[in-house]
Amino acid sequence: QVQVQESGPGLVKPSETLSLSCTVSGGSINYYYWSWMRQTPGKGLQWIGDISFSGSTNYNPSLKSRVSISIDTSKNQISLSLRSVTAADTAVYYCAREVRGVPPEINWFHPWGQGTLVTVSS
Amino acid sequence: DIQMTQSPSSLSASVGDRVSITCRASQNIFTYLNWYQQKPGKAPKLLIYTASNLQTGVPSRFSGSGSGTDFTLTISSLQPEDSATYYCQQSYATPPYTFGQGTNLEIK
Repeated sequence: QVQVQESGPGLVKPSETLSLSCTVSGGSINYYYWSWMRQTPGKGLQWIGDISFSGSTNYNPSLKSRVSISIDTSKNQISLSLRSVTAADTAVYYCAREVRGVPPEINWFHPWGQGTLVTVSS
Repeated sequence: DIQMTQSPSSLSASVGDRVSITCRASQNIFTYLNWYQQKPGKAPKLLIYTASNLQTGVPSRFSGSGSGTDFTLTISSLQPEDSATYYCQQSYATPPYTFGQGTNLEIK
């Protein structure tokens, strides 16, 4: 079955760029959308954005000016970049597969990666 | 953004109890509503998709109902392993997808 695993630095300095990778195993990255979410005690679960296997992206308007998501189908990897981070970006970051139906409003996240904690601090 | 409001924020119930958690959307989302279960230190796990469809492998004591703005997740006979936080999530008006604030379910 498909498994998803996030990886990247656990500590990022303020004003720098947070960069995470998501590796998909046990199945193909193709024909799906892939999402990034984050979770904080204060703001709960927040959807950051997604990308299709062909590279089409959607972003949360609240983060759009700082976020980039990319995909490398040859490596079965999805990447997240979040620029100019502050302490408010400290969170557990999750990658998940979007299962989409018809119409496109029919979709859900499954499976999720285990998550990776990123702390923004000097 | 569509706001999702869950109630209660927390509840405590006994093994064998029937438990219901409510999720209200700030506008009509038809049946584009999913439910997730999250245990401490773990990722959210899909339970119910499009309001009432049980994800493969999820015990049949879990069920979902509702449409429009009001939705309910019901556990028919609570088990010890159901202690977790439960989240609803809308997929109607995106971006962005939005989640409820969570309901923490404790077993007495």
